[in-house]
Amino acid sequence: GEDVEQSLFLSVREGDSSVINCTYTDSSSTYLYWYKQEPGAGLQLLTYIFSNMDMKQDQRLTVLLNKKDKHLSLRIADTQTGDSAIYFCAEITGNQFYFGTGTSLTVIP
Amino acid sequence: NAGVTQTPKFRILKIGQSMTLQCAQDMNHNYMYWYRQDPGMGLKLIYYSVGAGITDKGEVPNGYNVSRSTTEDFPLRLELAAPSQTSVYFCASRKRSGKPTDTQYFGPGTRLTVL
Repeated sequence: GEDVEQSLFLSVREGDSSVINCTYTDSSSTYLYWYKQEPGAGLQLLTYIFSNMDMKQDQRLTVLLNKKDKHLSLRIADTQTGDSAIYFCAEITGNQFYFGTGTSLTVIP
Repeated sequence: NAGVTQTPKFRILKIGQSMTLQCAQDMNHNYMYWYRQDPGMGLKLIYYSVGAGITDKGEVPNGYNVSRSTTEDFPLRLELAAPSQTSVYFCASRKRSGKPTDTQYFGPGTRLTVL
C-alpha cells in the first residue's frame, strides 16, 4: 500500500495557529484530503485539494501542497478548543483511500 | 437520511469466537469500505466493494470476510477471533461520480476487544 506519514502529536495554545504536516508517496493522486476525527466518532471530511493546486483556503483552514516534495500541510488559524481532535490526511489511488497515521491536536486554553 | 450506521457499538469476544459487524447506508452509495483503526497506525483498509455482488481485498484482509448482496448493506465477518483483531472498525460509503467532494462518509465505529 501507499505510505502516508504524519507526526503523531501537536499541542498549541488557544488563539495560535496550528500546522499539521503530511507526506505521501503516490505522485499520481488526483486529490488529497484532510479529515477530522473527534473522540468516539468516525472521520469527517474537512477539506481537500486538487493535485494541480498549490494552496486552498477555506475560512480558518489553509491547505498547502508541495507536489515536488509530496508534502501536504493543514494550517488552522486562531485555533480553538473545539479544534482538539485527530487529523488525518489521505490520498486516493484508484478506488482506495490511503490514510496517514493521524495527528492528535491538543489545544491548551 | 441516517447516513452510515454500524452495529454493535462495542463487543467483547473470546479467542476463536465468530461475529458479524453490521454496516448499512441509506445514501444509495455505490462504494463501501471497511477499515480498522489501531492506535498510532491510522486506518487500514480491510475490504471494499464497488457495488452489489463485487468485493475486493484491501491492505489487511486476512481473518475477515465480507459480502455485498445489496447496495445498502456491507457486513464484515470474523470467523475465528484473535487478539490481533482487537481494534476499532469503521465502515464508510462513497458515491461514484468522480467529484472530489464525493468523499467517504464514515459510520460511528465498532470497538471490538478479543480476549
